[in-house]
Amino acid sequence: EAQVTQNPRYLITVTGKKLTVTCSQNMNHEYMSWYRQDPGLGLRQIYYSMNVEVTDKGDVPEGYKVSRKEKRNFPLILESPSPNQTSLYFCASSLSIPGASQETQYFGPGTRLLVL
Amino acid sequence: QKEVEQNSGPLSVPEGAIASLNCTYSDRGSQSFFWYRQYSGKSPELIMFIYSNGDKEDGRFTAQLNKASQYVSLLIRDSQPSDSATYLCAVIAHDMRFGAGTRLTVKP
Repeated sequence: EAQVTQNPRYLITVTGKKLTVTCSQNMNHEYMSWYRQDPGLGLRQIYYSMNVEVTDKGDVPEGYKVSRKEKRNFPLILESPSPNQTSLYFCASSLSIPGASQETQYFGPGTRLLVL
Repeated sequence: QKEVEQNSGPLSVPEGAIASLNCTYSDRGSQSFFWYRQYSGKSPELIMFIYSNGDKEDGRFTAQLNKASQYVSLLIRDSQPSDSATYLCAVIAHDMRFGAGTRLTVKP
């Protein structure tokens, strides 16, 4: 089954404790991205990657890091989480850059993060 | 001004009616337009995309694009309670930008 998986699905942590949210896709997609979703603000892109070892900042990259060492995985790293990073996070992937083809962007199930 | 604006709703329509969802965008260079549906607590799923001015129909859904007015809409005909969800408009110019979404409730 074609899918994007994220782990963990729910996470409660404390300020400053490093955490990683994993994202994996089994569709051999080149493009992957991370979004956060907050009430009234919609989905905002954090980082994206167009291929292995190619990553770039989205709208709200501050406080986040990513890596793309393998095509299927795109982990999101919060080196020192703060309460303003409490949010719902989605990983997404697509065959190519959204809009470059008629391929849809597939979203993972989401990770709900609470930083105390 | 937000780059992609949607009325947050909630929009409430009776079952069987037409639901009309609207979205405006600020970047005149925008080329691709998408509508996603998001059920509460779930991830967004693509339901329509449109690239050219005019209408595009897919089953009960019709997307309408007017680039001159920087306006894209989604019509849902014969609305069903299962259509109750938040609908996200997304626009691609240099990158993909989402609106905050419109919450739709279809009442039986």
